[in-house]
Amino acid sequence: EVQLVQSGAEVKKPGESLKISCKGSGYSFTSYWIGWVRQMPGKGLEWMGIIYPGDSDTRYSPSFQGQVTISADKSISTAYLQWSSLKASDTAMYYCARLGGEAAAAWFDPWGQGTLVTVSS
Amino acid sequence: AIRITQSPSSLSASTGDRVTITCRASQGISSYLAWYQQKPGKAPKLLIYAASTLQSGVPSRFSGSGSGTDFTLTISCLQSEDFATYYCQQYYSYPGWTFGQGTKLEIK
Repeated sequence: EVQLVQSGAEVKKPGESLKISCKGSGYSFTSYWIGWVRQMPGKGLEWMGIIYPGDSDTRYSPSFQGQVTISADKSISTAYLQWSSLKASDTAMYYCARLGGEAAAAWFDPWGQGTLVTVSS
Repeated sequence: AIRITQSPSSLSASTGDRVTITCRASQGISSYLAWYQQKPGKAPKLLIYAASTLQSGVPSRFSGSGSGTDFTLTISCLQSEDFATYYCQQYYSYPGWTFGQGTKLEIK
């Protein structure tokens, strides 16, 4: 069974750094793109960026370029999303998901269970 | 950027009803559209991709149609487990993939 398991909920203060993870299993982790999607409280879905763990090729949505960093460690089948300085507006649920097609034209399936990030002073 | 307008934003229906949700793209996106279902507190689940291809394991009462700018998701006979929020996603304009605003399907 293809599965993505994300790290647990985080509570941070503004200005702190954070790295959340997404571990893939049940498939060849290096052969599929992984994406990250943000869902702010009570709101819709926003695509943030994608990474190909095979060679760490990374692409960002223009809305998130420079705001976050996406990386992967293929030796442990894990992708990451990180912030260097969190803001209150980063409070959201973050999902990782595997891409179902080519990087330039793809849907998301399956999805991780989500990581809730709360940023509050 | 390609805008996706999803309608309605909410919908009340009864078990057994047939319901239709629509997504309209601001420019042609061929068939590069997916549909997802999200239940409260859960991750989204892929229902349909390439506008009309049913994902494995998804009940056949779900169907998708359309190409170009106008797309529909139809649920032919609503079941209790179908009450959720539905999103469309266009994946034509890389890197500007976008989701619709969502349709909350509630029990009448």
